Amino acid sequence: EVQLLESGGDLVQPGGSLRLSCAASGFTFSNYGISWVRQAPGKGLEWVSTISTNGGSTYYADSVKGRFTISRDNSKNTLSLQMNSLRAEDTAVYYCAKGRRGGTSTDFDYWGQGTLVTVSS
Amino acid sequence: EIVLTQSPATLSLSPGERATLSCRASQSVSSSLAWYQQKPGQAPRLLIYDASNRATGIPARFSGSGSGTDFTLTISSLEPEDFAVYYCQQRSNWPPFTFGPGTKVDIK
Repeated sequence: EVQLLESGGDLVQPGGSLRLSCAASGFTFSNYGISWVRQAPGKGLEWVSTISTNGGSTYYADSVKGRFTISRDNSKNTLSLQMNSLRAEDTAVYYCAKGRRGGTSTDFDYWGQGTLVTVSS
Repeated sequence: EIVLTQSPATLSLSPGERATLSCRASQSVSSSLAWYQQKPGQAPRLLIYDASNRATGIPARFSGSGSGTDFTLTISSLEPEDFAVYYCQQRSNWPPFTFGPGTKVDIK
């Protein structure tokens, strides 16, 4: 059974930093691109970032470029998102999502339960 | 960036009725479009990929059609568990992957 379990969400002050993690199981982690997708309270879905199978290619939404860094450890089946210079508009539930296809140009067939990041003073 | 527009914003129907949801892209995405269902407090669930292919475990009452810029998700006969928000997403021209704003299907 495919499982994705996010952690690390918290209340943080504007300008602060936070690191999210996603632990994956039930599939060959190194064979799939993985992404972060967020959802602000009461709003729709927003793609944040994607990382390729070996971590060699990373992609970011303009809204987070230069502030967020995605990474993966295929030996531990984990995905991370380092979030710096956080803003109020980064407040959202952050989901990690597995790519359905082996590459990075994909939709998302499995999602974690999400972790809440709140940016507020 | 490809912008996806969904209509209607809200669809009020009764169980057993047919639901027809629309997604329109600002430029062609070929058949690279997916549909997701999201219930309150839950993660999205992939329903349809590549415009018309049902994902694993998705009931046959869900079907997708379209190509280019105009797409449709049809639920042939609504079950009580189908009342939810539905999103479309394109993977044709990225980054960024983009999602539509969603259509809420609620009980009439």
